[in-house]
Amino acid sequence: DAKTTQPPSMDCAEGRAANLPCNHSTISGNEYVYWYRQIHSQGPQYIIHGLKNNETNEMASLIITEDRKSSTLILPHATLRDTAVYYCIVRVASGAQKLVFGQGTRLTINP
Amino acid sequence: SQTIHQWPATLVQPVGSPLSLECTVEGTSNPNLYWYRQAAGRGLQLLFYSVGIGQISSEVPQNLSASRPQDRQFILSSKKLLLSDSGFYLCAWSGQGALGSGRANEQFFGPGTRLTVL
Repeated sequence: DAKTTQPPSMDCAEGRAANLPCNHSTISGNEYVYWYRQIHSQGPQYIIHGLKNNETNEMASLIITEDRKSSTLILPHATLRDTAVYYCIVRVASGAQKLVFGQGTRLTINP
Repeated sequence: SQTIHQWPATLVQPVGSPLSLECTVEGTSNPNLYWYRQAAGRGLQLLFYSVGIGQISSEVPQNLSASRPQDRQFILSSKKLLLSDSGFYLCAWSGQGALGSGRANEQFFGPGTRLTVL
C-alpha cells in the first residue's frame, strides 16, 4: 500500500509555478521522499528526492516540512510538456529499492 | 551511458496463449531489475524484482512468472494469458548503491509493452 496521499488532479497555467502537495504522515526517520512523473504512454521518470532538507535540481524543487509529514514538489515555470501524472513515494533502502506507486496527481498545464 | 530496451512495444494475444516479454539493460552491470504492470486508468503495480541472476522475488500472486537468465536480461512470461493480464508492462533497473550516494538508487524505466488480451 502506498504510504502517501496526493490530490487526484490539479490544473496550472503555463508559465506559472505548479505546487504539488503530498502527505506522508507515517514516514519513518530513514525513509526518503521521491517524486516521479509519468507522461502519457511512457514509463515513469525520476524528478527529485530528499530526506529532510529542501532540494533543487534542473527539473524541480522539493520542500519538505520540518516534521517530514508532508512535502511539496514545485515546478517553477510549468510548460505544456509538464502535463503528466506525478507520483510521491516514500521508501527506505533495503535490498532492491521497491517503489510503491499510489494514484498520483494528474497535473494539467493549460495554455 | 545506460539504456534499457523492451520489446515488443505492442502485443495483441488471445486468451490462453503464452507470453514472453523481454527487457535488456546496457551500460551497467549487476543492476536490480523490476517488472511493473499498469492496468488501464490505474497506478503502477510492482510484479517482480531481481537483485541478481536467477534471483526472483514475486510481489503479488498471479498468472505470470519472471526469469533472469543473464545479468542484464529480465523476462516476463505466462503459460496461459487471461483477460485480466491486459495492461502496460514496464521494466526498470536501478543500481546497487546505498541511498546515501544520491541518485544511485533512482529507477530507470523502459518504454513499456502494451499488451491486449482478447
